[in-house]
Amino acid sequence: GAVVSQHPSRVICKSGTSVKIECRSLDFQATTMFWYRQFPKKSLMLMATSNEGSKATYEQGVEKDKFLINHASLTLSTLTVTSAHPEDSSFYICSASGHTDTQYFGPGTRLTVL
Amino acid sequence: AQKITQTQPGMFVQEKEAVTLDCTYDTSDPSYGLFWYKQPSSGEMIFLIYQGSYDQQNATEGRYSLNFQKARKSANLVISASQLGDSAMYFCAMRELQAGTALIFGKGTTLSVSS
Repeated sequence: GAVVSQHPSRVICKSGTSVKIECRSLDFQATTMFWYRQFPKKSLMLMATSNEGSKATYEQGVEKDKFLINHASLTLSTLTVTSAHPEDSSFYICSASGHTDTQYFGPGTRLTVL
Repeated sequence: AQKITQTQPGMFVQEKEAVTLDCTYDTSDPSYGLFWYKQPSSGEMIFLIYQGSYDQQNATEGRYSLNFQKARKSANLVISASQLGDSAMYFCAMRELQAGTALIFGKGTTLSVSS
């Protein structure tokens, strides 16, 4: 149990375009979903926390207008990187938690902006 | 100050041996949870083990055990009988009740298992 999927697993886009990443909890209801960013060989950096049906809470330094997060249902959250630039290239990972403390992570999305 | 400290950037162990990955934490919240995750080269984060601050016994999950020393604020992960597939990055993380459900991660330890 506790499976989280992410789509797409890899995406390459041109500078200036927007990219949407989906995060789904497949076998449980995720009251809270989290979005992280990870640079090579570095730790995970929390970007934002989203609760179903409410606005996401962004960490300090994360531009909310650039990284749009929507948590429309108990099984789906989306992260949209708007007007992507090469510096946005990174590994983005979502996680989801239900009624327990444990966060279950998706497999991640590798974004490359050309 | 760092909330989660993993002092070992890399560890090496031979197959079938046990290995301990260190983790110390810093919090004033009396209610917190400690987690260990494994991240293989594919990138997915795999949950391994959880220890609650009020748990009396050390958590165990198969070959994984958590050596929880509350007074020392340490939560070391012990992997017994290492396997080649254990080679990965390992992250220690903490959730403080007062901070909600967000996890704070350490910098990670890269474990390499050789035959």
